[in-house]
Amino acid sequence: EPEVTQTPSHQVTQMGQEVILRCVPISNHLYFYWYRQILGQKVEFLVSFYNNEISEKSEIFDDQFSVERPDGSNFTLKIRSTKLEDSAMYFCASSGGGTNTGELFFGEGSRLTVL
Amino acid sequence: AQSVAQPEDQVNVAEGNPLTVKCTYSVSGNPYLFWYVQYPNRGLQFLLKYITGDNLVKGSYGFEAEFNKSQTSFHLKKPSALVSASALYFCAVRFRSGYSTLTFGKGTMLLVSP
Repeated sequence: EPEVTQTPSHQVTQMGQEVILRCVPISNHLYFYWYRQILGQKVEFLVSFYNNEISEKSEIFDDQFSVERPDGSNFTLKIRSTKLEDSAMYFCASSGGGTNTGELFFGEGSRLTVL
Repeated sequence: AQSVAQPEDQVNVAEGNPLTVKCTYSVSGNPYLFWYVQYPNRGLQFLLKYITGDNLVKGSYGFEAEFNKSQTSFHLKKPSALVSASALYFCAVRFRSGYSTLTFGKGTMLLVSP
């Protein structure tokens, strides 16, 4: 069964450093998302991406965040200058395509720890 | 704006007993409604959805949910709980049209005791 894959599974970084989280969505999906979850709590929407541009973003997704689909398969989330409060589990998801039935398919997540 | 409420932080049930995990929603128009499950240190797994049609929908692992438009609820149910179902359960809503954001509730921890 097709799945969303994310790398790295865990990244530790120093405050102020740049981080790039990578995702490979399901191949025929057209919509891509990033969510985050702090300490196993609420899952918060960050950004959605369609047709090579951001379609929607939350107030969390400020100028420190950016997304890119550089090569038609990967979907990346960049945090330019990490803060302590960016420590969270980041989930990539995808949806849409010929067999779309509304649900999002999530990856296993990338745990980011900012020291 | 769309929102989802899960009023219970935790639900405790004995194995073999029926379980209900509550969810109410607020969205303009007709919603798509979902339940996801998260096991420790794992991603979110899709359980079931309501799009249209029968108000009672069945999903993975013997779970079902009932869409109640008048009460704006979408409670998750299972007739007989298993210990292996212990996990964090999230209700989610999105607008029916287009590919809008999926908004999650805060989650309910289900603990099934042997």
